[in-house]
Amino acid sequence: ELKVEQNPLFLSMQEGKNYTIYCNYSTTSDRLYWYRQDPGKSLESLFVLLSNGAVKQEGRLMASLDTKARLSTLHITAAVHDLSATYFCAVDPNLQGAQKLVFGQGTRLTINP
Amino acid sequence: NAGVTQTPKFQVLKTGQSMTLQCAQDMNHEYMSWYRQDPGMGLRLIHYSVGAGITDQGEVPNGYNVSRSTTEDFPLRLLSAAPSQTSVYFCASRGNSATNTGELFFGEGSRLTVL
Repeated sequence: ELKVEQNPLFLSMQEGKNYTIYCNYSTTSDRLYWYRQDPGKSLESLFVLLSNGAVKQEGRLMASLDTKARLSTLHITAAVHDLSATYFCAVDPNLQGAQKLVFGQGTRLTINP
Repeated sequence: NAGVTQTPKFQVLKTGQSMTLQCAQDMNHEYMSWYRQDPGMGLRLIHYSVGAGITDQGEVPNGYNVSRSTTEDFPLRLLSAAPSQTSVYFCASRGNSATNTGELFFGEGSRLTVL
C-alpha cells in the first residue's frame, strides 16, 4: 500500500527566508503533484511532476522529483506572506486501472512579516 | 470552462436526515472521486469511480452511497446523517493518466454541518 508522508506538518517562517517541504512516498511512482489550499478554499494545482529529475518553478516556488529516492521537494525562496497556505503532495500509484491519487497529510505554512 | 461543479456549497442537516451532494464535471474525465476534509486529518477518500457504471470504496465509505450513471455526474448520498459526518466535502476528477498528466481537478467544496 502506498504511503505518502510530508515533513514538516507545520512550518512558521519569516519573510525573506528560504525553506523546503519534503514529500516521501513508499512505493515506486514517477508521477507526483503539488497542491495549494488557502483557508476555506479548495485545492489548487501547483506543479505536475511526471518523471525522474523533473523540476518545475513558478515564482518563489520550485518543485523537484527524485523517483529513485522516492522523494519530492517543494522549495520556497525568499518567502512572502502571500505564500501562507497549506501545501499537499499527491502521488500516483502507477497501478493499471487504479486512478486514485494518495495524498500526504499537508504542510501548513505560515509566513510572518 | 466550468471544470468541477459542486452543489450545495453549504448545508445544515439534522441527525437522521438524508441528502445528496451533487458533482458534475465538463472535462470528459473518466475518474471522479469524493473526499472529506477534517481538521488535522488531511484528505480522506470516500468513494471513487473509474467510469460510468463503475464505483468503488475509498478509505472512509461508511454512511455514504454513490452512483455513476453518466460520465459527467457523480453524486454523493448521505442516507442518515450523523454528527460525525460534519465536514468539508470535495469532489475531484482527472483524466486517464495513461493519456494525459493525470492532474486531479477539485470542486469548490461543500461544507456540511450535522446537528
